[in-house]
Amino acid sequence: EAGVAQSPRYKIIEKRQSVAFWCNPISGHATLYWYQQILGQGPKLLIQFQNNGVVDDSQLPKDRFSAERLKGVDSTLKIQPAKLEDSAVYLCASSLAAGAGNTIYFGEGSWLTVV
Amino acid sequence: AQSVSQHNHHVILSEAASLELGCNYSYGGTVNLFWYVQYPGQHLQLLLKYFSGDPLVKGIKGFEAEFIKSKFSFNLRKPSVQWSDTAEYFCAVSGNNRLAFGKGNQVVVIP
Repeated sequence: EAGVAQSPRYKIIEKRQSVAFWCNPISGHATLYWYQQILGQGPKLLIQFQNNGVVDDSQLPKDRFSAERLKGVDSTLKIQPAKLEDSAVYLCASSLAAGAGNTIYFGEGSWLTVV
Repeated sequence: AQSVSQHNHHVILSEAASLELGCNYSYGGTVNLFWYVQYPGQHLQLLLKYFSGDPLVKGIKGFEAEFIKSKFSFNLRKPSVQWSDTAEYFCAVSGNNRLAFGKGNQVVVIP
């Protein structure tokens, strides 16, 4: 079974530039998550989708971050403009459905360095 | 919202030693508890989970964790570690449909 696919794996940009990350979840998974993991910390949920609808985006810095999942399958996370403190690994994850009874599967992450 | 505390961020031990990683959480409602592991260069993987029933949970690779409700704890244990257990370990708590992670424990096993 194919896992959660993310691209690009690595990205270096200058501050104030923009960047976009792409995620393709496991086939059939209705719930998709974007997490931010800063070095030395645990992953923090940015946004959660159920199909193409947003379930939770309370921790998403909406002045610079946006995410969409237009067709309820793959998703894009955008940062514009980037700040130095956005340097982190951006993890995409998916599960069959929302709720704690469903195991969340993570992708390998997209490493962002803002200089 | 729930929060998770993990102590002793860096742990170094020799092969065959026993490992115990502490995890404490705060949340007023029903929780589900998880331990995830991230091996060097790999993605986060589920090690074990607790939803209900027997508070002693067995996971993969010889790991186990015990849920103690009165102490709001879900400590991870392995009686005898191997070099291949070198990884970062994250405790996570799910409540209100949100999964919150601790800061992680970086474990290094010396051959």
